Amino acid sequence: GAGVSQTPSNKVTEKGKYVELRCDPISGHTALYWYRQSLGQGPEFLIYFQGTGAADDSGLPNDRFFAVRPEGSVSTLKIQRTERGDSAVYLCASSLGGRASGEQFFGPGTRLTVL
Amino acid sequence: AQKVTQAQTEISVVEKEDVTLDCVYETRDTTYYLFWYKQPPSGELVFLIRRNSFDEQNEISGRYSWNFQKSTSSFNFTITASQVVDSAVYFCALSEAGTGGFKTIFGAGTRLFVKA
Repeated sequence: GAGVSQTPSNKVTEKGKYVELRCDPISGHTALYWYRQSLGQGPEFLIYFQGTGAADDSGLPNDRFFAVRPEGSVSTLKIQRTERGDSAVYLCASSLGGRASGEQFFGPGTRLTVL
Repeated sequence: AQKVTQAQTEISVVEKEDVTLDCVYETRDTTYYLFWYKQPPSGELVFLIRRNSFDEQNEISGRYSWNFQKSTSSFNFTITASQVVDSAVYFCALSEAGTGGFKTIFGAGTRLFVKA
């Protein structure tokens, strides 16, 4: 079976532009997570979805960041007015059931570079 | 507040040596979960183990073993007879059940180099 996939694998944009990052979770996984990983750091939690709803968005750094999961499967992370500090690898993970104890399966990430 | 500290930034060993990766956590919750993930050079994080706060039994899986001690808030990971393929960044992580439990906090990671 397919794992978590993320597109694009790399995205280069200019400061001030809008970007969308896509995540396809493992089929049947109801929980979906977005993380941001900067060089030399661990993944930083951004947002968690259970089904279509954002159950915890406390990690989103500011209102330029927004994520949706309209049909409870694919999710899109949207960043408006990008800044150089947004450059990082954005990771998506999914898990079955979404319990705190659940093992998360990670995608390969999207490397975002803001020039 | 949740916090995970991995004090060792990088460790370098020679193949066949044993190596222990340290993890210290902070939480106010009585029910929580601890994890270790491996991030090889290819980049994708891979789940290794999960422990809940009520189970302090140590666990062994092949060359890997984990020592969970609530008294010292530590969850250390030992690789016995290390191999070159063990070279990766290893992350310790924590999630708390009391807050809904889905927010997972990762440590900064320990980069392990295993030389042939």
